[in-house]
Amino acid sequence: AQSVAQPEDQVNVAEGNPLTVKCTYSVSGNPYLFWYVQYPNRGLQFLLKYITGDNLVKGSYGFEAEFNKSQTSFHLKKPSALVSDSALYFCAVRDSNQGGKLIFGQGTELSVKP
Amino acid sequence: DSGVTQTPKHLITATGQRVTLRCSPRSGDLSVYWYQQSLDQGLQFLIQYYNGEERAKGNILERFSAQQFPDLHSELNLSSLELGDSALYFCASSSLVQETGELFFGEGSRLTVL
Repeated sequence: AQSVAQPEDQVNVAEGNPLTVKCTYSVSGNPYLFWYVQYPNRGLQFLLKYITGDNLVKGSYGFEAEFNKSQTSFHLKKPSALVSDSALYFCAVRDSNQGGKLIFGQGTELSVKP
Repeated sequence: DSGVTQTPKHLITATGQRVTLRCSPRSGDLSVYWYQQSLDQGLQFLIQYYNGEERAKGNILERFSAQQFPDLHSELNLSSLELGDSALYFCASSSLVQETGELFFGEGSRLTVL
């Protein structure tokens, strides 16, 4: 079965510092991996995805993610955090065996302090 | 704006009642997914429809049902409501089944059962 795990419930970062939000995956076949962000009382917004090709994927709002096949990881990164990046972040894998739904991790609350 | 519209945004009702949540997918998208987000369960996949037919079923209770109409909008029906059904219900859409693209999420319908 496809699954993703986000080992940290919360990540705290000072503004201007780099941030990393961790995600590991377990899939059979090719992994189709995604990151979404959710601001309070809002829907999920797509940030970026890995399908194939370059292991470093660039996305919206200056975020990027690194796909590592040997470590089965897909960590979200940003070189310099902003207070406005504070939100709930979800890693997800597309379940190509079951209609294509997204299977989400539990989410990581990112808090960026001034 | 993702292009996915959900109504109502907020709904307060009593235990034992029945409610209907509505979703209009992005123009041209044939696939609709329903998710439930609660504090203790995270983001749970409920059900998926593709062009009017059920494609995949997740952790959807028997008290819940859904359908997709010829105009591609979808409705999620929740009956015999319990306190534990209080959650944020999201609809998402995509253009094809088993593609590698992202899902587009609506802003959600927040259900409170008193």
